[in-house]
Amino acid sequence: AQKITQTQPGMFVQEKEAVTLDCTYDTSDPSYGLFWYKQPSSGEMIFLIYQGSYDQQNATEGRYSLNFQKARKSANLVISASQLGDSAMYFCAHGNQFYFGTGTSLTVIP
Amino acid sequence: GAVVSQHPSRVICKSGTSVKIECRSLDFQATTMFWYRQFPKKSLMLMATSNEGSKATYEQGVEKDKFLINHASLTLSTLTVTSAQPEDSSFYICSAKFFSRAYEQYFGPGTRLTVT
Repeated sequence: AQKITQTQPGMFVQEKEAVTLDCTYDTSDPSYGLFWYKQPSSGEMIFLIYQGSYDQQNATEGRYSLNFQKARKSANLVISASQLGDSAMYFCAHGNQFYFGTGTSLTVIP
Repeated sequence: GAVVSQHPSRVICKSGTSVKIECRSLDFQATTMFWYRQFPKKSLMLMATSNEGSKATYEQGVEKDKFLINHASLTLSTLTVTSAQPEDSSFYICSAKFFSRAYEQYFGPGTRLTVT
């Protein structure tokens, strides 16, 4: 069974600081993908970053980077230089069907 | 990026009526579409996976007769909530993906259903 765990229901970060959002997963698939999405209060799901299980390097997309530790089955999202607009729910997802974690609510403090 | 639309964005209906939600991929052909349900401040729960021209695959615990999914073309999937009840009130989100870019999935803006 696929399972995604996000242990931080809520996080606070000072503007311009970096923050790490945790995600662990459980899978028996030999090859898989991991995703992070942002969901602002409007409800839309915004794709942030993707990591393939066989990718040699950690994925980066602008201020977003993914700290992928395959042996630990973790795929933590790092947001650098936080901005007020980063305040939102963040979801980690896994697999072809995109099973989502429970999400982390991030609040950026001015 | 690819665009997925949903219609309507909001709907209020009375108990016992049926509501149809459309999900369209506007600029690409979606071989697979997914339907999710999200309760307030909760995660997205996958309801079903829909492949064009075949029956949808429902997740465990999702009533097939309650939530009818039709994927008639490569750009359109519909979710019909039959005999809607107040407990069906929720945020429904669809997503679509390419066959050739299987790791990318594009989400619609969601539909808020309120059953009175």
